[in-house]
Amino acid sequence: SQQGEEDPQALSIQEGENATMNCSYKTSINNLQWYRQNSGRGLVHLILIRSNEREKHSGRLRVTLDTSKKSSSLLITASRAADTASYFCGFPDQAGTALIFGKGTTLSVSS
Amino acid sequence: SAVISQKPSRDICQRGTSLTIQCQVDSQVTMMFWYRQQPGQSLTLIATANQGSEATYESGFVIDKFPISRPNLTFSTLTVSNMSPEDSSIYLCSVVGVGGLDEQYFGPGTRLTVT
Repeated sequence: SQQGEEDPQALSIQEGENATMNCSYKTSINNLQWYRQNSGRGLVHLILIRSNEREKHSGRLRVTLDTSKKSSSLLITASRAADTASYFCGFPDQAGTALIFGKGTTLSVSS
Repeated sequence: SAVISQKPSRDICQRGTSLTIQCQVDSQVTMMFWYRQQPGQSLTLIATANQGSEATYESGFVIDKFPISRPNLTFSTLTVSNMSPEDSSIYLCSVVGVGGLDEQYFGPGTRLTVT
């Protein structure tokens, strides 16, 4: 299966703490994208990282990509209650067009 | 990014009926896709909506059950036909190619409940 794996499946932290979630995939990819989903709504695009990039930042978000290990991580620093959501990584399918998604990490940030 | 709208946002339907979901983008895009997210699950690709030709379906999805149209570069519809309770899911359209970029953006989703 091309489906990725994410861990942990669930993560509970306090406000102000950092949250790290990981994504692994099986095939060679040219980019990987991270998304947030609140309460079963649409996916919000967070970051796209390309295969020739090792790290990318956007505000409190930091994404890394290790193509040798076929893995990526999303770090959210100084978490807020509003960060409570499910986070998914998506990577291109064999045709290189649509995205395949991992099972996601459910993050709960308590105040 | 793109502004993507979906109609309806939610619906409750009786088994055996059909529902057509619309997806509208505010700019021309290269590719449009339809995904399904069953309760508590991740997203599964249903098909790629091709402009002016038949959609390309993933394994496990067929045109008779999920007919798709894409008459132009900014609009697509997905019909869920002869619905059963197992079709209760969130259906999401997504697009690639906004401004020539690789990012894939998603619509707000349509929450479908079949009774």
